Amino acid sequence: EIVLTQSPGTLSLSPGERATLSCRASQSVSSSYLVWYQQKPGQAPRLLIYGASSRATGIPDRFSGSGSGTDFTLTISRLEPEDFAVYYCQQYGSSITFGGGTKVEIK
Amino acid sequence: EVQLVESGGGLVQPGRSLRLSCTASGFTFGYYAMNWVRQAPGKGLEWVGFIRSKAYGGTTEYAASVKGRFTISRDDSKSIAYLQMNSLKTEDTAVYYCARDVSSGWYPELFDYWGQGTLVTVSS
Repeated sequence: EIVLTQSPGTLSLSPGERATLSCRASQSVSSSYLVWYQQKPGQAPRLLIYGASSRATGIPDRFSGSGSGTDFTLTISRLEPEDFAVYYCQQYGSSITFGGGTKVEIK
Repeated sequence: EVQLVESGGGLVQPGRSLRLSCTASGFTFGYYAMNWVRQAPGKGLEWVGFIRSKAYGGTTEYAASVKGRFTISRDDSKSIAYLQMNSLKTEDTAVYYCARDVSSGWYPELFDYWGQGTLVTVSS
C-alpha cells in the first residue's frame, strides 16, 4: 500500500498569504495519478487538482499543484477567506489511498 | 446538475447489518464507476470500495478493512448505488460518502462529484 504523508498537519496563515502544502508518498507515484481535494467543515470533499497539476473545473488559478515521484505540493498563492479548510492528497497508482490531511486555519 | 444523495445511515448495534443507498441524477449513471469513501469522526478519508460500470462487468473492488463484510451493487435502471454493510464493528462508525469516478473503468481513479454523506454509528 502506498502511504501518503501530508505536512504540516496544521498551517496557520492570514488571508493574502501564500500556503504551501506537502504530500509525500512512501513509493513513487506517477504524476498522472496524484489528486488534491478540499474539504470544508460539514461538507463533502471537492476535487481541486488532478494529474498533480491540472485544476478541476471551476477551480481558481490561485490553486496550483506540482511535483513528481514521491514529493508533491499544493500551493495557494494568496489565501482567500473561503480557502481555510482541510486539504487531502490522494493517489490511484496502486489502489486508492489518501493522505491524513492538512488543515489551513486563520492565524 | 450532477447530484448524489446518500441515505440509509443511522445507529446500529455491532454485528448487525445496514444498507446505504446513493441516488444519482443529472448524468448518465450507468456510464460511470461509483465509489464509497468514509470518514470517521474527526479523521481523514478512507476509500471503501468501488463498482465498475456494466460495460466493465459491474464488478467490484474493496479495501482490505471491509473486504468480505461489505458489498457494493448498482441498479442502473434506478440510478442507485448500494453499500451493504454486514458484521458491523464499532470502527466502522463514520460518515459514508458516495462519489462518482471519472472513469467507467477497470480501476478506481479520482472522484469528481460527491454526495453530502450519511452518518453510520455502530454502538451498543
